[in-house]
This record gives sequence, C-alpha cells and structure tokens, in this order.
Amino acid sequence: RKEVEQDPGPFNVPEGATVAFNCTYSNSASQSFFWYRQDCRKEPKLLMSVYSSGNEDGRFTAQLNRASQYISLLIRDSKLSDSATYLCVVKVEGGSQGNLIFGKGTKLSVKP
Amino acid sequence: ETGVTQTPRHLVMGMTNKKSLKCEQHLGHNAMYWYKQSAKKPLELMFVYSLEERVENNSVPSRFSPECPNSSHLFLHLHTLQPEDSALYLCASSSGIGTDTEAFFGQGTRLTVV
Repeated sequence: RKEVEQDPGPFNVPEGATVAFNCTYSNSASQSFFWYRQDCRKEPKLLMSVYSSGNEDGRFTAQLNRASQYISLLIRDSKLSDSATYLCVVKVEGGSQGNLIFGKGTKLSVKP
Repeated sequence: ETGVTQTPRHLVMGMTNKKSLKCEQHLGHNAMYWYKQSAKKPLELMFVYSLEERVENNSVPSRFSPECPNSSHLFLHLHTLQPEDSALYLCASSSGIGTDTEAFFGQGTRLTVV
C-alpha cells in the first residue's frame, strides 16, 4: 500500500463548482498533515495545514479523520486560478528530522 | 519571489558528464532537502540536512552526491547519470523539527540526461 494515496485525476469542473479531494495515509504514526498546491512547471507551495478539528481558509476547507487515516480538501466556488495539482502531504516525526511524504497529487482544471 | 533559489533552472547532460546543482535559501532555516519529482510519481525525498549534517539518505544511488557547506547552501553533485535520472530536482528548506513546519521549495532544476 502506498504511504499517501490520492484520488486519481484529473478533475475537470466548471467555474463556481464545489470540488472535493480525498487522501488516505498508511502510517498511523503520522503527526502533521498538509495540502500543497503545485502549478504547472512550478514548485509546490503550502496551501494549508490540516488540523484535527478541521479548518477553513476562505473557500478552502480541510478535514482530518485520524481514526480512518483520511484527509480531505473542499474547494467552494472554484475559480479559474484554482487550476493546479493538489498534493496531500503527511509528516512523520521521528529520527532527527521530520519527513514529508507526498501523494502523487490530483490535477484540477477549472473551465469557464 | 521565492526565498529558496536554485540554479540552473534547466540542465541537459550526457551520461559521462559531471555537473552540480546549487540551492541557496535566504530564510534563516536550518534544514535543507533535496527532492526528486519524476513524471507520474510523487515527490521522493533524496537527502535531508539539519544544521549542515546529513541526517537522512533514502538509499539514493552514489552517482548523486550532496554537499552542505553551510546552513544557507546545498549542492547536489551529479556524475555518470542514467537517462532514468531525468526529472525535476527540487530543493526545500524548513526551520527544523516541528509538527507544523512548512517546507519552502525552490523552483527546481529540470534535468535531462541524454
């Protein structure tokens, strides 16, 4: 089983749509969770951290279910500029440095 | 504008060449990383340096040799690479250990081995 698995993409949605990404992780010792965004031919950038209580940042809502080892990202009222690849990232503490484990990413394409 | 700068942005090299990738961070971080991103695969961690000491090497072939002379600079020395090593190589830095430590990435070096 892959360490971090994400929905296969691509997701093609119209502007204004609500889109949800799902992610599961295999290591129950995972401590921290993030969603990164990567634009075409650019570097990944942090979109938001994911907290156990769930958190919201404008049109973006992230949820974490530790029991199911499941993370989600919801984008409401999607914009053309949301088109990118969304990477689910898990951090496993241990050793002398935490290690970020990336999923393959799900590509989102928002159309006019 | 990124606090992590990588050079060169693009590199084409033959299998017998020796080249180096450079990374510089201006964020005052004390941890630096090399990642490899191949098509259709997730980012793979190659090396981690904390306070200029290598703390993790994920079984990377010896044809990749990292160097961290100080906390702001990281190099990846390349020699006798294979075509399958063609990928985007990303450098990242973070402020160190911490549950919510964000990693900042450079724009990457797109490497093609011919």
